[in-house]
Amino acid sequence: SQTIHQWPATLVQPVGSPLSLECTVEGTSNPNLYWYRQAAGRGLQLLFYSVGIGQISSEVPQNLSASRPQDRQFILSSKKLLLSDSGFYLCAWTGGSQVQYFGAGTRLSVL
Amino acid sequence: GENVEQHPSTLSVQEGDSAVIKCTYSDSASNYFPWYKQELGKRPQLIIDIRSNVGEKKDQRIAVTLNKTAKHFSLHITETQPEDSAVYFCAASKSGGGADGLTFGKGTHLIIQP
Repeated sequence: SQTIHQWPATLVQPVGSPLSLECTVEGTSNPNLYWYRQAAGRGLQLLFYSVGIGQISSEVPQNLSASRPQDRQFILSSKKLLLSDSGFYLCAWTGGSQVQYFGAGTRLSVL
Repeated sequence: GENVEQHPSTLSVQEGDSAVIKCTYSDSASNYFPWYKQELGKRPQLIIDIRSNVGEKKDQRIAVTLNKTAKHFSLHITETQPEDSAVYFCAASKSGGGADGLTFGKGTHLIIQP
């Protein structure tokens, strides 16, 4: 069966520091991969999606970037974090259908 | 782009009663409408979904209806139980291949009163 791993679970970073969040999917090949952000008490906002290695689509201009160096690996990065980058970051994947499955999420606090 | 509106933002019902959450979408090309349940601090979990070629779908106590003409869809939970308390999100997408991401509503906090 397919599983999605996301780490770390919790992260506290100072303003201006870099960020790297990683997501990997097991048990499937060529998944579509997604990064979402959820601000406290709010809905989910799509940040990036990828349909293949090296293919990244950005939905919202911001202080973040994404990369897909391997088929089942999706990385969310920032060179310098802002206070407004705090939130709950969720990775998700789909296979042949539109059904999306989410990772456990990373709770990022920028102080 | 797509815009999804969800109402109400908070819904409190007595245990055993029914709960209804409504969503509207703006893009008539959207063809997939999932509902997710999110408990505090956890990931969203898919509870039911519907595609544009279907008007209604039911799974035990949960049902979803879709009106393509009016561009709205609703979640119905019957015989509510305490474990139904959570935040519920509706979403929409329009990619046949599943490549585009989901556009989410802002969520409904469902509270089941004992």
